[in-house]
Amino acid sequence: GQQLNQSPQSMFIQEGEDVSMNCTSSSIFNTWLWYKQDPGEGPVLLIALYKAGELTSNGRLTAQFGITRKDSFLNISASIPSDVGIYFCAGQLSQGGSEKLVFGKGTKLTVNP
Amino acid sequence: GAVVSQHPSRVICKSGTSVKIECRSLDFQATTMFWYRQFPKKSLMLMATSNEGSKATYEQGVEKDKFLINHASLTLSTLTVTSAHPEDSSFYICSARRAETRQYFGPGTRLTVT
Repeated sequence: GQQLNQSPQSMFIQEGEDVSMNCTSSSIFNTWLWYKQDPGEGPVLLIALYKAGELTSNGRLTAQFGITRKDSFLNISASIPSDVGIYFCAGQLSQGGSEKLVFGKGTKLTVNP
Repeated sequence: GAVVSQHPSRVICKSGTSVKIECRSLDFQATTMFWYRQFPKKSLMLMATSNEGSKATYEQGVEKDKFLINHASLTLSTLTVTSAHPEDSSFYICSARRAETRQYFGPGTRLTVT
C-alpha cells in the first residue's frame, strides 16, 4: 500500500529558530496536506497544496508541493512555544470518488523557551 | 468554519461489552465520513469510509463485524466497537467531508477497555 516517509521523527529547538520537515512518497498524490495535532485532540489543517510546484504560506508556515508530486516540505519560521505538537503530512489521491488520506508518521516538535 | 464533534470524548468499558462512538457534523451536511484509529505515538490509520445511506467501505485488515459503522443521516455517523477487548483500546478519530471539499476532523474519542 501507499506509504509516506516523514522526517525527522522529532525535533528539539530553541524558541526563535526555524524548523523544516518533509515527506516523501513512492506514489504520486493529487493533494498534499499538513496537519498539527495537540495531545488528546484531532488533527488541525495547517496548509493544503493542490498543484505540483505550489508554494503556499500561512503566517509563519510555508509549505511546498514537490514537482514530482511525490514529496512536500513544511517550514516554520521564528518558532514559538505554542508551536509544540506533532505535525503530520498527508497525501490525498482521488480515485473513483474516494478521497482517502494517507498520513505520514509525524514529526514531534519541542520548542524550548 | 466547519465543525465536527465526537461523543464521548473518553470512554472506559469492560472487556466483552460494546461501545458506540458518535461523530456529528454540526454546521454542514457530510456526504462522506471517515473513521481513523491512532495508537500512542503513531500515525492515523484509516479504518473505513462511509457514505450516507450506504454500507461502509472498510480498509484491508479491519474487521467489519467488530467495528460496525452506521451513517444514517448527513450529519451523523456512529462507530460501534463490539465485544471490545483491551487491544481495542485506542484513540478513534472521525472526519467529515461535504462534496468536493476537504475533510474536517473531530476531536477524537479515547477508548479504554479494561
